[in-house]
Amino acid sequence: GQNIDQPTEMTATEGAIVQINCTYQTSGFNGLFWYQQHAGEAPTFLSYNVLDGLEEKGRFSSFLSRSKGYSYLLLKELQMKDSASYLCAVNSNSGYALNFGKGTSLLVTP
Amino acid sequence: ETGVTQSPTHLIKTRGQQVTLRCSSQSGHNTVSWYQQALGQGPQFIFQYYREEENGRGNFPPRFSGLQFPNYSSELNVNALELDDSALYLCASSLDRGAYNSPLHFGNGTRLTVT
Repeated sequence: GQNIDQPTEMTATEGAIVQINCTYQTSGFNGLFWYQQHAGEAPTFLSYNVLDGLEEKGRFSSFLSRSKGYSYLLLKELQMKDSASYLCAVNSNSGYALNFGKGTSLLVTP
Repeated sequence: ETGVTQSPTHLIKTRGQQVTLRCSSQSGHNTVSWYQQALGQGPQFIFQYYREEENGRGNFPPRFSGLQFPNYSSELNVNALELDDSALYLCASSLDRGAYNSPLHFGNGTRLTVT
């Protein structure tokens, strides 16, 4: 089966750095995605990792370790608008479907 | 560039009824995937359509069916609605079938409530 785990909720302060972890156990691996979803809105693509290491994109970075089945999303210089749900998703052997975790609800406080 | 649009935004149906949800893919995208997102959960894959044919299916019963049209727009049909079908239904388009090299672009979803 497919198992993707991430913390349910996190709280961080404006201007700080937060790391959202994701662990996965899937039958095959073709890449890991992070999406951001504001309440009542569509998920929007943040990052994609298929090789081990860190991918940096502005204030957001994503890390992958395939041997450990582990990824994290790092958000720097947090802004109030970063309050949202962050979804970790793995593309396994199917090649066409993403398996999503339940999402991590991040609250950024002043 | 036009994004993914879904209609209607909200819908209330009675148990046992049938519903059709619609999706227009992003300009230039030929693949449409449908996901079901229950409250507090991540999206669950229903199926994917590529060039008007079903390209893959998740763990959903046959009463969930779909279509893709020549302009790449798509419909999701659900028959014999059950209370547990209440969820946000997300449509996502992408270029070609491979989710690994083509990020999904989601619409804002249709919120379906079954009473």
